[in-house]
Amino acid sequence: EIVLTQSPATLSLSPGERATLSCRASQSVSSYLAWYQQKPGQAPRLLIYDASNRATGIPARFSGSGSGTDFTLTISSLEPEDFAVYYCQQRSNWPPKYTFGQGTKLEIK
Amino acid sequence: EVQLVESGGGLVQPGGSLRLSCAASGFTFSSYDMHWVRQATGKGLEWVSAIGTAGDTYYPGSVKGRFTISRENAKNSLYLQMNSLRAGDTAVYYCAREGSGYLAFDIWGQGTMVTVSS
Repeated sequence: EIVLTQSPATLSLSPGERATLSCRASQSVSSYLAWYQQKPGQAPRLLIYDASNRATGIPARFSGSGSGTDFTLTISSLEPEDFAVYYCQQRSNWPPKYTFGQGTKLEIK
Repeated sequence: EVQLVESGGGLVQPGGSLRLSCAASGFTFSSYDMHWVRQATGKGLEWVSAIGTAGDTYYPGSVKGRFTISRENAKNSLYLQMNSLRAGDTAVYYCAREGSGYLAFDIWGQGTMVTVSS
């Protein structure tokens, strides 16, 4: 089973700063990695799929990169509404199994 | 508007059963793989089950043999039959759509709470 490890667990930054979140897979997932944002009391929202493609309606300040086992979500300049928990997710090839990282909480400094 | 609305959550005793429903609207339901994902209070996300457009189903080991996912395309509905429930199954259960061709969940419902307790 592929395990996704996110770091850091908590990231404290100020609005306007750049955020870099990491997701590492225990074995290669090619480019099949997604990122989600979740705010308290809300369902997750898809931000990035296939490692680097922004989902519909996602602002350009969100970008994803990486392949194989190491992936990064970057928020170029934090807006107040970006403070939330972020999860990465992958799907193993066969049989299909979907796993999530444990999450990174992005909090206001 | 593309939408998923879950229902059927509630309080159930350990060993009991519950059936969740998810009503889809605003898209061609039969053309998409669908999933259930759960989240215990204060915890992360856990994939619970998937069903393909052809009715093929997949589960993680934690629920295999206890949970059954199904769909009724004529009613634009997804279901999750949960049997032999345990305290560890307590969570918000989300219905989610897998985006066409990209192995990620692009549409989520608002979730329904399942509490397993005596």
